Amino acid sequence: EVQLVESGGGLIQPGGSLRLSCAVSGFTVNNNYMSWVRQAPGKGLEWVSVIFSGGSTYHADSVKGRFTISRDTSKNTLYLQMNSLRAEDTAVYYCAREYLTGSSRYFDYWGQGTLVTVSS
Amino acid sequence: DIQLTQSPSFLSASVGDRVTITCRASQGISSYLAWSQQKPGKAPKVLIYAASTLQSGVPSRFSGSGSGTEFTLTISSLQPEDFATYYCQQLNSYPYTFGQGTKLEIK
Repeated sequence: EVQLVESGGGLIQPGGSLRLSCAVSGFTVNNNYMSWVRQAPGKGLEWVSVIFSGGSTYHADSVKGRFTISRDTSKNTLYLQMNSLRAEDTAVYYCAREYLTGSSRYFDYWGQGTLVTVSS
Repeated sequence: DIQLTQSPSFLSASVGDRVTITCRASQGISSYLAWSQQKPGKAPKVLIYAASTLQSGVPSRFSGSGSGTEFTLTISSLQPEDFATYYCQQLNSYPYTFGQGTKLEIK
């Protein structure tokens, strides 16, 4: 059974740092494109970051230079290191797998989300 | 970045109704479009990918169409469990983007 379980969220002051984890079972993180997607309270979905199977990464402009996506092969876990946090980073953060099939792609598995609240 | 504009933002309908949601892209995205359903407190769940391919396990009352810049999601006969928020997402190029969402409410 596939499971993605996020952890690491919480209340953090502006300017602080937090590391989110996404523990995966049922497939290998290393062999897949993995993304973080966030959702501010009462708002829509915003794609944040991706790590490709080859290890390269890409981040949304809104977090570039502050957030870093990474993975640990031995733990089959995805991470999001978030630095210099701002109030506008307050959101539920989801990890998701991007499934590639033929000429199409979509996010087929999602975690349950972890809430990050940036406030003094 | 590719902008996606969904319409309407809110939709009030009754069980048994046929509803259509539209998603317009700011530039051509071929068929790299997915539709997802999200219920309160839950992660999104993909319904349609590649604009018109029904995800395994999703009821056949859901269908998608379109390519290029204009896409639609149709629910042929609304069921009580379909009242939720729907998002389109383009996967043509990074940064991936989502529409602003359509909240489907019971009339």
